[in-house]
Amino acid sequence: QVQLVESGGGVVQPGRSLRLSCTASGFTFSSYAMHWVRQAPGKGLEWVAFISYDGGNKYYADSVKGRFTISRDNSKNTLYLQMNSLRVEDTAVYYCAREPGAFDIWGQGTMVTVSS
Amino acid sequence: QSALTQPASVSGSPGQSITISCTGTSSDVGSYDLVSWYQEHPGTAPKLMIYEDNKRPSGVSNRFSGSKSGNTASLTISGLQAEDEADYYCCSYAGSSTYVFGTGTKVTVL
Repeated sequence: QVQLVESGGGVVQPGRSLRLSCTASGFTFSSYAMHWVRQAPGKGLEWVAFISYDGGNKYYADSVKGRFTISRDNSKNTLYLQMNSLRVEDTAVYYCAREPGAFDIWGQGTMVTVSS
Repeated sequence: QSALTQPASVSGSPGQSITISCTGTSSDVGSYDLVSWYQEHPGTAPKLMIYEDNKRPSGVSNRFSGSKSGNTASLTISGLQAEDEADYYCCSYAGSSTYVFGTGTKVTVL
């Protein structure tokens, strides 16, 4: 069935890096724009980053611009989020989501905790 | 990229109708017919309930409906049921492939 599965979360110290992955199945991954959305503990949803179907266009929320990089490998049906210079306030569940105008398919999320 | 404004909480009795508002600006909600609504139960991923202001995905109950006027969108849940108790988030396209979410509304079924 149509599915997104995130991985790569964990506990990391401030200033360090982490790379998240999101593996897609059940649909033609290369045909869809993809996004990362996060949710800090007890807080609301926050849009993080966008990548076009072919990887040619990328946009970021101001809160992560210059620190996070979104990418994709359509041959592997996988979306990535490289997170550098992590801050305590980046602590959140990170979701990947498929987007044909709205976020119609979501992964289960992966938890990232930034703490010393 | 300021969050859209939603009431923190809305409640209703079973069978009643409730409406959740979502207020943005002329740069997001007011500019595009791309407001969507998501239902989130604790510990689970958000679920798309409404897209393009007022369209329902296949499988979503027709008790859920969306509307928009100017810079404010609304989600109405009619015939409120216990299973509708959840957090609800609106989301709007904000140009240049960016999106902005609402602050979230906790719906309580009394």
